[in-house]
Amino acid sequence: AQTVTQSQPEMSVQEAETVTLSCTYDTSENNYYLFWYKQPPSRQMILVIRQEAYKQQNATENRFSVNFQKAAKSFSLKISDSQLGDTAMYFCAFMRTTSGTYKYIFGTGTRLKVLA
Amino acid sequence: EPEVTQTPSHQVTQMGQEVILRCVPISNHLYFYWYRQILGQKVEFLVSFYNNEISEKSEIFDDQFSVERPDGSNFTLKIRSTKLEDSAMYFCASSVQGANEQFFGPGTRLTVL
Repeated sequence: AQTVTQSQPEMSVQEAETVTLSCTYDTSENNYYLFWYKQPPSRQMILVIRQEAYKQQNATENRFSVNFQKAAKSFSLKISDSQLGDTAMYFCAFMRTTSGTYKYIFGTGTRLKVLA
Repeated sequence: EPEVTQTPSHQVTQMGQEVILRCVPISNHLYFYWYRQILGQKVEFLVSFYNNEISEKSEIFDDQFSVERPDGSNFTLKIRSTKLEDSAMYFCASSVQGANEQFFGPGTRLTVL
């Protein structure tokens, strides 16, 4: 069975600084996707970034980038130039792509607070 | 931009009552999901649905739960006899294909008294 671990329950960062959120996962699968979702106080789940396991290049979306280390089963999220609006809960998620179900397995989340 | 919608946003019910949570997935999406999040905890998979049948369900999704796509646009989650521990945020999600990112609705907060 797949598991996703986020070892940092809470983090804080000064506005305009850079922060990295950690995520590790365990799987015997070779084909999968990884995601970071943001959950602000409204509790809406918002996709931040996704990474296909077969791609060696790390995904980037504006100020958000990932460091995907497939052999180490590590998938960290880097937020550059942090903004107050980045304050939220961040969840790492794993999705197997070889089955017929495609469910997400989420980590326990990291609560990020951006300080003014 | 198309989005997943859910109603109601908040449902309060008495223990033992039946509730139906409603979702309207994005119109060209084919895969549908329900997740739940107990306050302060992680998001957990409940059930996935494709081609008018359940494709996978978790151990949480027992006989008290059922899903239905009654009219080609709505996707519902029914809890037949609610328990206190069913109090949670319930998220509906959909994806255009299976191996693709899922788009989440805003959630329904269920409170069982």
